[in-house]
Amino acid sequence: ILNVEQSPQSLHVQEGDSTNFTCSFPSSNFYALHWYRWETAKSPEALFVMTLNGDEKKKGRISATLNTKEGYSYLYIKGSQPEDSATYLCASVKTSYDKVIFGPGTSLSVIP
Amino acid sequence: ETGVTQTPRHLVMGMTNKKSLKCEQHLGHNAMYWYKQSAKKPLELMFVYNFKEQTENNSVPSRFSPECPNSSHLFLHLHTLQPEDSALYLCASSQDSGTDYEQYFGPGTRLTVT
Repeated sequence: ILNVEQSPQSLHVQEGDSTNFTCSFPSSNFYALHWYRWETAKSPEALFVMTLNGDEKKKGRISATLNTKEGYSYLYIKGSQPEDSATYLCASVKTSYDKVIFGPGTSLSVIP
Repeated sequence: ETGVTQTPRHLVMGMTNKKSLKCEQHLGHNAMYWYKQSAKKPLELMFVYNFKEQTENNSVPSRFSPECPNSSHLFLHLHTLQPEDSALYLCASSQDSGTDYEQYFGPGTRLTVT
């Protein structure tokens, strides 16, 4: 993988459903993986910064895992709420200084 | 409110104009970034400054000229732009440019080049 990829591109879930999406990134020269949430008409907001293989992070109903050897991260949202509707971005950081590469994002819509 | 402000929020300019985008952070951070998001494309890193020194230039055309007079302010000077430069320009800051620090983004400037 040369670029950062995210799947699915978009997702529609019912309120209360749990969901997850994937970020795939180059595993070579890995340094860090960032997750951001970007709501419409707002600024991207940091969710997690992950650096260690096997790392798991949690913030409320949102959690993330990281596999640096195979180059993927999962973001999980438990019991989705309408306010979770946003685009979720991941960004891979390589060891070359300050090289941050964003994925295209997963657009999540939570239907009340 | 993220602590990062950008002005103007919207800008329309002709291809022969010269304009500047301004970013200011009130977080005491040492690193600042310019990103570009074109329609249907991922966020693209343009420039990184750490302690006022440019540490990354992601092959950006010279018609985009950044300036960082201090750790709190970042400018993007624009001249002789092309219509394909129309995009959302986001500024961000982080504690340091060490890339395990989360970034705080401004609201962006929506630029239209006519």
